[in-house]
Amino acid sequence: TQLLEQSPQFLSIQEGENLTVYCNSSSVFSSLQWYRQEPGEGPVLLVTVVTGGEVKKLKRLTFQFGDARKDSSLHITAAQPGDTGLYLCAGADNQGGKLIFGQGTELSVKP
Amino acid sequence: NAGVTQTPKFQVLKTGQSMTLQCAQDMNHEYMSWYRQDPGMGLRLIHYSVGAGITDQGEVPNGYNVSRSTTEDFPLRLLSAAPSQTSVYFCASSYGAAGTALYEQYFGPGTRLTVT
Repeated sequence: TQLLEQSPQFLSIQEGENLTVYCNSSSVFSSLQWYRQEPGEGPVLLVTVVTGGEVKKLKRLTFQFGDARKDSSLHITAAQPGDTGLYLCAGADNQGGKLIFGQGTELSVKP
Repeated sequence: NAGVTQTPKFQVLKTGQSMTLQCAQDMNHEYMSWYRQDPGMGLRLIHYSVGAGITDQGEVPNGYNVSRSTTEDFPLRLLSAAPSQTSVYFCASSYGAAGTALYEQYFGPGTRLTVT
């Protein structure tokens, strides 16, 4: 069974601080996605990384896929209250294309 | 486009009752899935479908049935509700079918189900 461990589970920081969320597994994934979910809504895709070592930037968000395609990180620079939400990583398995989700990281950015 | 729609938004059931959660998408996606979301557990796959007439089990299928008679609709049936099925249920669809490595899931707004 493939598992994705996300850390930390909860993060409360002040506006302007930097943070990193980690997503780790002992399994290899064909691709990895990051989603953001706001209360009362469904998750929305932020990015997909496919190649080992790949780095993608989305404004103040930087996503990295590990060289071995077993782990990923999300780094936010100068966090803002609008970044508050639940961040989920999800790996696509190699067998059926199903998505395996991590437990999520609940981020709160205080002004 | 409405995207992925789910009804109802909220539902309270008594133990032993049955019901169907509705999901529809208007993006002509082949791949549709049902997830449940519980605190601290992320999203867990219940059932999925790679096209009309084809369904398969996910990680937590027990107590749920699905069918896919059209590309647009993918209802989830609870046969005999139990308190352990209290959760938020999300339907999702994507362009990619099983076996593709790259696909984005479009999620509906969710159904909040409480079983007493």
